[in-house]
Parts: sequence; C-alpha cells; structure tokens
Amino acid sequence: NAGVTQTPKFRVLKTGQSMTLLCAQDMNHEYMYWYRQDPGMGLRLIHYSVGEGTTAKGEVPDGYNVSRLKKQNFLLGLESAAPSQTSVYFCASTSGDFGFEAFFGQGTRLTVV
Amino acid sequence: QQQVKQSPQSLIVQKGGISIINCAYENTAFDYFPWYQQFPGKGPALLIAIRPDVSEKKEGRFTISFNKSAKQFSLHIMDSQPGDSATYFCAASWKGAQKLVFGQGTRLTINP
Repeated sequence: NAGVTQTPKFRVLKTGQSMTLLCAQDMNHEYMYWYRQDPGMGLRLIHYSVGEGTTAKGEVPDGYNVSRLKKQNFLLGLESAAPSQTSVYFCASTSGDFGFEAFFGQGTRLTVV
Repeated sequence: QQQVKQSPQSLIVQKGGISIINCAYENTAFDYFPWYQQFPGKGPALLIAIRPDVSEKKEGRFTISFNKSAKQFSLHIMDSQPGDSATYFCAASWKGAQKLVFGQGTRLTINP
C-alpha cells in the first residue's frame, strides 16, 4: 500500500518555466490537498479538492492551478514559475470523515532560479 | 479567526526532560485538534488528536492537554528522547470544514 505518492521529488526551474506536480493516492480518499512549507510559515494550503472534478482555493492560491480529473490523482501546475515559489510542496489526502487523519506524501522540493 | 498560533518556534530539551508545545485558537467552532510530527525529508504524520469533550488525552509518552475556556491546547512529551527530534504541527478543524488549519510548527531538538 503506497499511500500518497508525489512526483517528482526534486526539481529546479528557471523563472518563467512551467511544470506540473503529480499526486497519486491509493486509499480511495475523497479529499486531496496541496500545501507549501516554508521556514517559519508552517503548512499553507494552496488548493484542495473534495471530490473528482472539484477544486477550491486555499490560503495561497495565486500562481498555481490544479485539476482533479481522476479521484486518485491531484495535479498542481505552475504556469510561469517565480523565485517566490521556491518551497517544499506536500500533497495530502483524507477520507473526509469528521476527525479525519490526513496522509501526506514525501514532498517535492522545488527551486526556482 | 481561522488561525492557530503555535509557540515556541524552536525548542531544545535535554534527554529525559519534558517538551511542551503550545497552541491557541480563536474560532470556537473548532472541535478537532490533531498534532502532526514531521521528520526531516518526510511528510507530516498524525501523532495524536483530541476532541474538546475531554481535557486530556495520553498515548504513551505523548499527552495533549486541552483548555476549552482559554482556547488553548498543548502537546507534552514526557521523557523526551533524541528520536523525538522533529518538527511538530498543531492543527484544528470543525465538522464540515473540509480542511485542517495548521499552526506555524515547532522544531524540537532533544540533546543526548
């Protein structure tokens, strides 16, 4: 049981380039999330989805887009990367039941130069 | 009002000591309070959680204390060990919220 898998684990982008981060979960969870983690800032929610075909904005959505075409996958896109998007990105999923446990992926370390 | 404020930002404790991390919230609708533990290079993982109908929950060396009137909750790690060195996040949610609100995190170092 793999849980939550993020691809890639590391990436270096030049300013203005685009990329897509992939998150896959095999727990049949309804809810999926993308967070970014920066020193002293904790985990900030970028976008989330409460089911296949749905997406919603989180706390820091600007500069990012997401899609949830399949229940098990949640994609995070950066259309024109900026140095301010240098961060560690985490995907998480939950069943959505109250008092839910969130399961996190291993993270993607993105550097924009 | 949806924020959870966590302190301290970093904490150094001697092996065998008690580690204490505090969180405070404003939103009285919050009714689920988990703590997550994150080791370097890994994603956070659920450590322990509490509902506001109890004032304390203990699992092994880890205890959550909850003060509903003060809108505060804390994590206590008894007999702290070097293997407890990690970043700890408090969080909060409420029924129907669809998401967790995380504190800023505390980097805990246990010196041998």
